[in-house]
Amino acid sequence: AQSVTQLGSHVSVSEGALVLLRCNYSSSVPPYLFWYVQYPNQGLQLLLKYTTGATLVKGINGFEAEFKKSETSFHLTKPSAHMSDAAEYFCAVSDPPHRGGSYIPTFGRGTSLIVHP
Amino acid sequence: NAGVTQTPKFQVLKTGQSMTLQCAQDMNHNSMYWYRQDPGMGLRLIYYSASEGTTDKGEVPNGYNVSRLNKREFSLRLESAAPSQTSVYFCASSDRDTTRGGNTIYFGEGSWLTVV
Repeated sequence: AQSVTQLGSHVSVSEGALVLLRCNYSSSVPPYLFWYVQYPNQGLQLLLKYTTGATLVKGINGFEAEFKKSETSFHLTKPSAHMSDAAEYFCAVSDPPHRGGSYIPTFGRGTSLIVHP
Repeated sequence: NAGVTQTPKFQVLKTGQSMTLQCAQDMNHNSMYWYRQDPGMGLRLIYYSASEGTTDKGEVPNGYNVSRLNKREFSLRLESAAPSQTSVYFCASSDRDTTRGGNTIYFGEGSWLTVV
């Protein structure tokens, strides 16, 4: 069974500082990994995803994440935070579906990113 | 581009009342989902439909029913609303990414439901 742990329900940074949001997963097979972002009063939208290939994945708005199999981690980073990055961030994991099977991701509990001027 | 559209956006119900949340997607996706979001709990899957004509329970199905009306539409019904069902509900859809795998899920904007 797959599971996702996001360390820290809230992360606070100053504008211009490094953003680091942590995600660890458990999965019996090499998983698909995702980060979604939710801005206030909106639905979630995909930030980036890892499926196969290069372990460093680049997403929208300058975010990137690195898949580290040995650490079962998929931490999200951004070199310099902007005020507009303030949002809720969700890590998600999915085992590759069986042929023709359903794709059901498991979401973490979310991390709220607070950006101070 | 409409994407995933869900209605209503806000609703207040009295305990015991019933209601249906409507959802439609225009991306020709096979799979559709209903999630609820509660503070500190993240997103929890209520029901999903892998394809037209099929539905399956998720993590928290009790108190809910669903109907996959056609490929576009997937509704969620609360037969007898309870205060514990006060939440934000998200409909979503996805399809197999045949190029790289790892389906992206597309979410609606949410429906805020309060049961008093």
